[in-house]
Amino acid sequence: EAGVAQSPRYKIIEKRQSVAFWCNPISGHATLYWYQQILGQGPKLLIQFQNNGVVDDSQLPKDRFSAERLKGVDSTLKIQPAKLEDSAVYLCASSWGQGAANTEAFFGQGTRLTVV
Amino acid sequence: GNSVTQMEGPVTLSEEAFLTINCTYTATGYPSLFWYVQYPGEGLQLLLKATKADDKGSNKGFEATYRKETTSFHLEKGSVQVSDSAVYFCALYTGGFKTIFGAGTRLFVKA
Repeated sequence: EAGVAQSPRYKIIEKRQSVAFWCNPISGHATLYWYQQILGQGPKLLIQFQNNGVVDDSQLPKDRFSAERLKGVDSTLKIQPAKLEDSAVYLCASSWGQGAANTEAFFGQGTRLTVV
Repeated sequence: GNSVTQMEGPVTLSEEAFLTINCTYTATGYPSLFWYVQYPGEGLQLLLKATKADDKGSNKGFEATYRKETTSFHLEKGSVQVSDSAVYFCALYTGGFKTIFGAGTRLFVKA
């Protein structure tokens, strides 16, 4: 089965520019997550979708970050304008999301963003 | 709130040495516990999991036992290999579809 696909793999932008990341989850997975992983830290959840609805975006900096999953399949995460502290790996993950206690999330390879 | 604390790395071992990476958690209710592994240049992969107290998760020679009394889920392997070099993340799932990750522990295994 195909895994979670993300693009691009790497992106370098100047501060105050905008950037967008794309994610295609595993087919049939209802739940999609975007995580931010700063160097030396564990992944931090930014936003979680259940189908095309937002379940949790409490840690998303909404003044500059936005995300959508219009058709309940693939998703885009946008940063506008970017700051230096946004430099991180942005991970997309998906799961069946049935609410079982042993739900496993499958991760993509991530997009490494460098803001200069 | 819910949180996961892992031992700081990096951990450097020689091949065939015994590995322990400590993980403790704070959670309300009865979380499920996971270890994820991230090999260089790759995304996170689930290594093993345990869904209730006293369960032991195991995979690829790695083991971890869910200890409710000590709120711990330490990762162990009897004999590490160079190919085990990676970053290991302890995580807990508390329901509401949310998984919380520790900061990660980098393991280097020398030949």
